[in-house]
Amino acid sequence: DVKVTQSSRYLVKRTGEKVFLECVQDMDHENMFWYRQDPGLGLRLIYFSYDVKMKEKGDIPEGYSVSREKKERFSLILESASTNQTSMYLCASSLPPFGRNTIYFGEGSWLTVV
Amino acid sequence: GNSVTQMEGPVTLSEEAFLTINCTYTATGYPSLFWYVQYPGEGLQLLLKATKADDKGSNKGFEATYRKETTSFHLEKGSVQVSDSAVYFCALSGSESNYQLIWGAGTKLIIKP
Repeated sequence: DVKVTQSSRYLVKRTGEKVFLECVQDMDHENMFWYRQDPGLGLRLIYFSYDVKMKEKGDIPEGYSVSREKKERFSLILESASTNQTSMYLCASSLPPFGRNTIYFGEGSWLTVV
Repeated sequence: GNSVTQMEGPVTLSEEAFLTINCTYTATGYPSLFWYVQYPGEGLQLLLKATKADDKGSNKGFEATYRKETTSFHLEKGSVQVSDSAVYFCALSGSESNYQLIWGAGTKLIIKP
């Protein structure tokens, strides 16, 4: 079975802190994604990556950056956390092409910024 | 642009009731359509999909038929169980979105014993 592992399930950070969310997948998938999930808004794509060191902005990239130095690992970085970034963050991976193959999700990371 | 509209929740049903969760979409061309499910405390997982008009996706007793004439992909199950309580997301993928998934807002389903 495909496994997407997010390093932290629950985090509490202070405003202005730099936050790292780590994600690892074990199925050699080229595509990796970071989504944000908020009630009533569904999933919103923050960034995605289709190869090592390659990244593309999603719908809501402001305030976030990403890093993909190895194929299996995709990190989301909040440069200076703010309270409006309190949310559930979901990492996912898939084989190419986009949208044609099943996307596999991690269990999510609940981030609270105080 | 492409969009997905789901019925608002929560939807509350008794065990063994018939379930319909409505999903309609706006898209040009021939998108692929998906239902994902998120059980409490977990990430999302693919429930079923359909890639062309009149296709029926099915899994775990759930079904959805890709209706191009009504631009719909409603999720149905004949007899729900308490274990079906979850949030259900409808999504589409098409060439206009560069094949990225466009997500509905999600519908929370609560099944009471």
